[in-house]
Amino acid sequence: DIVMTQTPLSLSVTPGQPASISCKSSQDLLHSDGKTYLFWYLQRPGQSPQLLMYEVSSRFSGVPERFSGSGSGTEFTLTISRVEAEDVGIYYCMQGLHVPLTFGGGTKVEIK
Amino acid sequence: QLQVQESGPGLVKPSETLSLTCNVSGGSISGSDYYWGWIRQSPGKGLEWIGNILYSGTTYYNPSLKSRVIVSVDTSKNHFSLKLSSVTAADTALYYCVAGSPPVIWGQGTLVTVSS
Repeated sequence: DIVMTQTPLSLSVTPGQPASISCKSSQDLLHSDGKTYLFWYLQRPGQSPQLLMYEVSSRFSGVPERFSGSGSGTEFTLTISRVEAEDVGIYYCMQGLHVPLTFGGGTKVEIK
Repeated sequence: QLQVQESGPGLVKPSETLSLTCNVSGGSISGSDYYWGWIRQSPGKGLEWIGNILYSGTTYYNPSLKSRVIVSVDTSKNHFSLKLSSVTAADTALYYCVAGSPPVIWGQGTLVTVSS
């Protein structure tokens, strides 16, 4: 299985400040089709996870522009340019290259 | 707008079979090329992908669960199902049905507890 490792475990951020979450995979997530199958999800308190980013850096429908994704190969980053109160929750990276799909352990973001 | 919703028993006895159904609304299972799947979430294991299925019946399972899992589709009822056999306490989790690959549509989740 591809192991996904996220850091930090938790993050406390002042509103309006940036935040970054790191995700490392145990294998290169680049497919022969040229796409990198790395995704980011946000699970708000009491809710189901929702897709934020697909293929590293593409924002899913309705996701604010303050969210951006970067990286390649085995190292990836989700950045929130200016954190807002609605961004609190647990962020997960997920690889979709190989079965089984696997998730990182999550990064909890809270507001100071 | 496509939606999915889990249903099934919240309590299953050890060694028995966990059975859940996911009702699809706002669209037809057979009318799309979505993957329909199951993911579970527990405090100990985080988010764990169980498996998915295309409406054609092609399935993909997590190897760690493959010997115990069956995911099936019933196009006449517009729903898909999960069966997990020989459950133990380790299978206690919040079970989500999902649509898409990657999963883009999630149900609200249903808590299944394995206990005698």
